[in-house]
Amino acid sequence: DAMVIQNPRYQVTQFGKPVTLSCSQTLNHNVMYWYQQKSSQAPKLLFHYYDKDFNNEADTPDNFQSRRPNTSFCFLDIRSPGLGDAAMYLCATSRDTQGGSQPQHFGDGTRLSIL
Amino acid sequence: AQSVTQLDSQVPVFEEAPVELRCNYSSSVSVYLFWYVQYPNQGLQLLLKYLSGSTLVKGINGFEAEFNKSQTSFHLRKPSVHISDTAEYFCAVGGGAQKLVFGQGTRLTINP
Repeated sequence: DAMVIQNPRYQVTQFGKPVTLSCSQTLNHNVMYWYQQKSSQAPKLLFHYYDKDFNNEADTPDNFQSRRPNTSFCFLDIRSPGLGDAAMYLCATSRDTQGGSQPQHFGDGTRLSIL
Repeated sequence: AQSVTQLDSQVPVFEEAPVELRCNYSSSVSVYLFWYVQYPNQGLQLLLKYLSGSTLVKGINGFEAEFNKSQTSFHLRKPSVHISDTAEYFCAVGGGAQKLVFGQGTRLTINP
């Protein structure tokens, strides 16, 4: 089945130690998203790629970066994780659409813990 | 600008009882509405979507939702819930720049 795969499912890192989360998709969707979700909250969009065009949300901290080397893969880099960055990180994809009519397809997330 | 309000943060119901999860939206552009479900430690799964046409939308797992333009609502319903429906439910509106605006979520708890 076509899907969105996130690795690893659980990631533990140390305070201040860079960490990379990965996402791959077999849906051939041209839009990919990264969300941060804290306990009992809605997902918060960090940024998205429309093909190779990077779109950062205004309130996304500079500590968060992303790379999309090809259509299938997208990475989330946290340069210096703080305790407040402990969360579930969700990757999603969607097809190109006029005005947001296409649903987003989500991976199962990576739960990040900071020691 | 778009926004979504889910009117209940938690909804407890007994198994086999009906349930309604309420969602109100505001949007200044074309409205596309979605309901997602999130089971513990998983991503979001699409339950159903409204793009246009019939205002009653049927989704997976026996859920349905009704789009009401005059009341700017998109409430989710199920006539008889099961223990397995215990999850967090998110209403979302699309309509600009390939982005979704989510509500704060409703935690549905099914009691035996």
